[in-house]
Amino acid sequence: KNEVEQSPQNLTAQEGEFITINCSYSVGISALHWLQQHPGGGIVSLFMLSSGKKKHGRLIATINIQEKHSSLHITASHPRDSAVYICAVQGGNKLVFGAGTILRVKS
Amino acid sequence: GAGVSQSPSNKVTEKGKDVELRCDPISGHTALYWYRQSLGQGLEFLIYFQGNSAPDKSGLPSDRFSAERTGGSVSTLTIQRTQQEDSAVYLCASSLVSGGGPQHFGDGTRLSIL
Repeated sequence: KNEVEQSPQNLTAQEGEFITINCSYSVGISALHWLQQHPGGGIVSLFMLSSGKKKHGRLIATINIQEKHSSLHITASHPRDSAVYICAVQGGNKLVFGAGTILRVKS
Repeated sequence: GAGVSQSPSNKVTEKGKDVELRCDPISGHTALYWYRQSLGQGLEFLIYFQGNSAPDKSGLPSDRFSAERTGGSVSTLTIQRTQQEDSAVYLCASSLVSGGGPQHFGDGTRLSIL
């Protein structure tokens, strides 16, 4: 079993839909990261959180430490949100990554 | 520049050759990380630097892989006697302090071994 599991692996949505990507982990962590990777592009850090909830624009990230679970929500999705979203957990100094969720938002 | 810079952006080489990949982190960032993204395998940690020392080399796949960092800044990842399974995108990231704050990623070096 992988230390970090993401679901779904693939997600197709219509523009405007509310999107949720889930991340479960099995190890103790100091923080959890959500990353975005566009096709052929670099990786951008969206959120780093260790408790509660963070919001940035249309993106919201939550974490439940007791349940070892985090969610990334995208409100009012747009085709430019199409990308791979990666959950990564930090224990100490290194990141352990989930396999990523491929999101496609159709107009 | 303002971000993490990696060079070359693409490298094609023959099996058995040595390659050097360079990472120039954000100025002032003390922590530097190397990751690898292989096709179909996702991202994996290779090595982490705090200043010029590497407290965690646990992700280096074999002794053909080595890395160094000088002056608390630029880092090079060296792969000796490259094999086809070394083909991947090699990503560098830096953060202000180790274990704290978001990591800022470079665009990566796409390495292809023929």
